[in-house]
Amino acid sequence: DAGVIQSPRHEVTEMGQEVTLRCKPISGHNSLFWYRQTMMRGLELLIYFNNNVPIDDSGMPEDRFSAKMPNASFSTLKIQPSEPRDSAVYFCASSPGRGGVNIQYFGAGTRLSVL
Amino acid sequence: GDSVTQMEGPVTLSEEAFLTINCTYTATGYPSLFWYVQYPGEGLQLLLKATKADDKGSNKGFEATYRKETTSFHLEKGSVQVSDSAVYFCALRVGNEKLTFGTGTRLTIIP
Repeated sequence: DAGVIQSPRHEVTEMGQEVTLRCKPISGHNSLFWYRQTMMRGLELLIYFNNNVPIDDSGMPEDRFSAKMPNASFSTLKIQPSEPRDSAVYFCASSPGRGGVNIQYFGAGTRLSVL
Repeated sequence: GDSVTQMEGPVTLSEEAFLTINCTYTATGYPSLFWYVQYPGEGLQLLLKATKADDKGSNKGFEATYRKETTSFHLEKGSVQVSDSAVYFCALRVGNEKLTFGTGTRLTIIP
C-alpha cells in the first residue's frame, strides 16, 4: 500500500493567491482528516470527513479555508486568498472508519510558505 | 472537554540513557490512548497504543502503561538510540471521535 499521498510536498506562493492542497487517502479508509502544524500552535485538526461527508469543521480557521471530498479517494484543502500567517505544514490522515480503535495514518505533509 | 498535557521539551539525552516523557489526560469518557512519533520531514506515525486501564502498549523498545487512577500514559524506553531523535505526541480518543493531541515533545539523542 502506498499510504496517504499528499501533493505538493512544498508550496511557495504570494499573499493573496489561491492555494490548493491535495490528498489521496489509503484505499478502503472511510475517514479523512486535515491537520495544520505550526511551532506556535502545534498540531491542530482543521476538519474531518467520514464517508466523504464533513463531520466536524470547527477547526477551520475562517472562511478563507474550505475542504472538499468529492469521492472516497480524493480530498482538497483550499485557501483563498492566502496570507502569510497560513504558512505551516498541512497534514492529511486517513483511518479505516468510525468503529473500533481506528488508527490514523498520516501523509508526509505539504509545507506551505506564503510570502 | 478532552485534553492532553505533555512534558515540555526539548529533551536532550545521551545515547543509552533512560527516557521518560510524561503524559496526562482529561477525558469526558473512557479514552483510548496513543503515542505517535514524527521523524524529521515526515508525517506522524503510530508508535503504540492502549485501549483500557492497565494495558501496556509497546513497540521498538518503547512502552507506556494506561493508568486510569493517575490519568497518565507516560512513555518510557530503557536505552535510547540516536535514531530515536524525533517529536513524540501523546493523544487520546473517546469513542469514535477525533484524536486529541498533546503539544509534542522534541527528543534529541546525542551520540
